[in-house]
Amino acid sequence: DTEVTQTPKHLVMGMTNKKSLKCEQHMGHRAMYWYKQKAKKPPELMFVYSYEKLSINESVPSRFSPECPNSSLLNLHLHALQPEDSALYLCASSLLTDARVNTEAFFGQGTRLTVV
Amino acid sequence: GDSVTQMEGPVTLSEEAFLTINCTYTATGYPSLFWYVQYPGEGLQLLLKATKADDKGSNKGFEATYRKETTSFHLEKGSVQVSDSAVYFCALSADRGSTLGRLYFGRGTQLTVWP
Repeated sequence: DTEVTQTPKHLVMGMTNKKSLKCEQHMGHRAMYWYKQKAKKPPELMFVYSYEKLSINESVPSRFSPECPNSSLLNLHLHALQPEDSALYLCASSLLTDARVNTEAFFGQGTRLTVV
Repeated sequence: GDSVTQMEGPVTLSEEAFLTINCTYTATGYPSLFWYVQYPGEGLQLLLKATKADDKGSNKGFEATYRKETTSFHLEKGSVQVSDSAVYFCALSADRGSTLGRLYFGRGTQLTVWP
């Protein structure tokens, strides 16, 4: 199983809503990532979790709140978003071996988020 | 800092033409290098990878060789198909330090193949 599963595939939310994006993998990967991708641009790193602990936060606004409840799951909680937050949100995972990362990252299909 | 420079697109080719997409990188240490492909409306798929100098990654007729002396990882395919139309991203991953685990992406190159 080399799949990273993201739900939902599409999400439309108002600026006052609270929603969550979910990501799941069963490859035993202990590094998980959230990326944001705008149209015709490369993915931009938002957060990195290593062994279920937040290791990188790329100065993301607090209206995005990540959570890693266990080694297979990664959530991104959304609250009071702005229209400019509309984008494709990608989850990825990679294997951690001792102090090194086997840096081959597997990506999910993404959640297409529209903020209205 | 670590970075990837990828040739500007878009690239438009006829079916069975030869493809080259240039990619150069800047990094300390011994990064791993990747090509990812993104089809319309989808996430990124790993196309091929190389983890050390002179390694050649290959998959589905695509090839790229990790050239440390020229800090390059150019993507090539001898005969493209319409189904290869997609956006291609060159990416680098550092092997140590505070940037461990993150990918640095090039800007992406849109490839369109006409029948």
